[in-house]
Amino acid sequence: QKEVEQNSGPLSVPEGAIASLNCTYSDRGSQSFFWYRQYSGKSPELIMFIYSNGDKEDGRFTAQLNKASQYVSLLIRDSQPSDSATYLCAVNMDSNYQLIWGAGTKLIIKP
Amino acid sequence: DGGITQSPKYLFRKEGQNVTLSCEQNLNHDAMYWYRQDPGQGLRLIYYSQIVNDFQKGDIAEGYSVSREKKESFPLTVTSAQKNPTAFYLCASTDPGTSGSDEQFFGPGTRLTVL
Repeated sequence: QKEVEQNSGPLSVPEGAIASLNCTYSDRGSQSFFWYRQYSGKSPELIMFIYSNGDKEDGRFTAQLNKASQYVSLLIRDSQPSDSATYLCAVNMDSNYQLIWGAGTKLIIKP
Repeated sequence: DGGITQSPKYLFRKEGQNVTLSCEQNLNHDAMYWYRQDPGQGLRLIYYSQIVNDFQKGDIAEGYSVSREKKESFPLTVTSAQKNPTAFYLCASTDPGTSGSDEQFFGPGTRLTVL
């Protein structure tokens, strides 16, 4: 069964610190990986996507992919209270553009 | 502005009623999706459509129906057969040929409550 696993949290991080969010997936052949942010009562919005092993940086956000270990992570540097949200990991495990979603990690940034 | 619209934002359903949720996109995307989200949970796929006049069941299709008569529209009907329909419903679309990636773009969602 195709699965994406995330720690539900909440993960509490002091303002200004680094928040580290992790995600593991079941299908070794997965090709594309996404991190979405979802504020309470709102729809998900894309933060980053990553296709290749290694790190991808965009501003305060860094996505890290390790296909051998089947995990993808999201680092948020200089965390701000506005980063408080649920972060959803999604993985494309086949070629028909369907994404398999994790249940999300709730992140709380404490001022 | 290109995007996805969903209506209504809030919907209340009485027991035994069918209700239809609207989803419209002007992104010229081929693929569209309907998800259900329950509190504290991730997204579960109800139906998806990769092309006009074709759609496929997702993981939790029972009690739901869809149509795809136009590229830009993918309405979802929640039938009386869906016993626990109270949830947040999200419509999404994607088109890697247009956007260059298979990221999904989301509408603002419809919150359905059974009275």
